[in-house]
Order: sequence, then C-alpha cells, then structure tokens
Amino acid sequence: DGGITQSPKYLFRKEGQNVTLSCEQNLNHDAMYWYRQDPGQGLRLIYYSQIVNDFQKGDIAEGYSVSREKKESFPLTVTSAQKNPTAFYLCASRPGRGQGRLSGEQFFGPGTRLTVL
Amino acid sequence: GESVGLHLPTLSVQEGDNSIINCAYSNSASDYFIWYKQESGKGPQFIIDIRSNMDKRQGQRVTVLLNKTVKHLSLQIAATQPGDSAVYFCAENLNAGGTSYGKLTFGQGTILTVHP
Repeated sequence: DGGITQSPKYLFRKEGQNVTLSCEQNLNHDAMYWYRQDPGQGLRLIYYSQIVNDFQKGDIAEGYSVSREKKESFPLTVTSAQKNPTAFYLCASRPGRGQGRLSGEQFFGPGTRLTVL
Repeated sequence: GESVGLHLPTLSVQEGDNSIINCAYSNSASDYFIWYKQESGKGPQFIIDIRSNMDKRQGQRVTVLLNKTVKHLSLQIAATQPGDSAVYFCAENLNAGGTSYGKLTFGQGTILTVHP
C-alpha cells in the first residue's frame, strides 16, 4: 500500500536534547512538509521541500532543522533551541505539478506526539 | 498577513441533520482550497477540494461552496452521521503556479459533534 509513515508514534525527550522525527513516503511525491499542531489549534508549517536537496523555512522554523537527501524521506530534527517543543507533529507529501495530478492535495501521515519531560 | 479563519469554533448537530461549516480567507490570490477532516490523534484526511474558477463542487454527502466576492468557503455535510464527528479544517493554497503548488495555510478548525 502506498502512503506516508511517521515514527515513532509517541516520543519523549528530556530538556536540552535533540530528537529526530522520521517521515517516509512511497507515493513518489516531489514535495514534503512538516507541520506542528498544538491542542485546539490548526496546523502551522515548519519546513517544506519541493524537490530533493532543497527545502524552505515555513512560518515557525526556529529551533527545527530538516534534510532531504532522498525523495522518500524528510526527517525533522527538533533541537534544544526550540523553547516549547511539546506538540503533535504531522508530515505530509504532495505530488508536483508535473506528476500528472490536477489537485494540490497534501497527504498526511499519522503524526508523532512529542512530549518534553 | 494573509490568513484563513473559521467563523465557528464548535458545531453541534443531531444525527441526520445537515451541517454547514464556514471559513473566511483573506488572500484574493489563493487559487485552490481544501477541506480536511481530522479525528482525534490522527492525521488530517482529505474531504474535498475546489479551484478558484469554480463556485461549487460536490462529493459524496459533501458540498463545498466558494464565494470569491466575500472570500468565503463553506463545507456542507448532508445527513450528518456520528462518524462525521471530528475537527474540520479549511486550507488555502498560496502562491500556486509555475512548477509547484506552493504552501497550504490552514484555518483554526471547527469541532463538529454529531449526537445520535
């Protein structure tokens, strides 16, 4: 089955530690995105990548870093510089305009809930 | 800055009723809009989308209406069922065109509760 996987589902981190969240997709999508969701709120864009080896900051990139070395993978690192990292993190992917799709729908993974202890 | 917002944060309906969830957007350049459904602890699921050159689009039990004059988007759910209970988000696509679709900006969300 094609889809997006995120791991782990739950993650606990001590203050001052960096942690990396995994996101993998086998949909052959060009673009990938990371969002943060706080309780009772919408999704805020952290980083996005429209092609391998390229990525751009979203609205709340401070304290986060990403890489896009492979088309299938877009890991997110939450660094110790992120002051309030406890949140639900969602990864998404989207086909590029040249991939034969007419819509701009983003496909979401199941999410990772990060808690800082 | 540009934003997408929702008029009602919560909506409570009886099973079988029709539901209408509203969304206001402020960027007249947005050319694509999506509605997502998110159940507790899960990722958002696509419901329906609409391009800015359309006023209405229908899916299975759902209809999206777009009023560009007042920058308003709505999601209508017919014969609402308890399984429809979730948070519903609208999103607009900014700076689309060229070789990419750009970014989606999400609204705050509306909590829909369907009572049996």
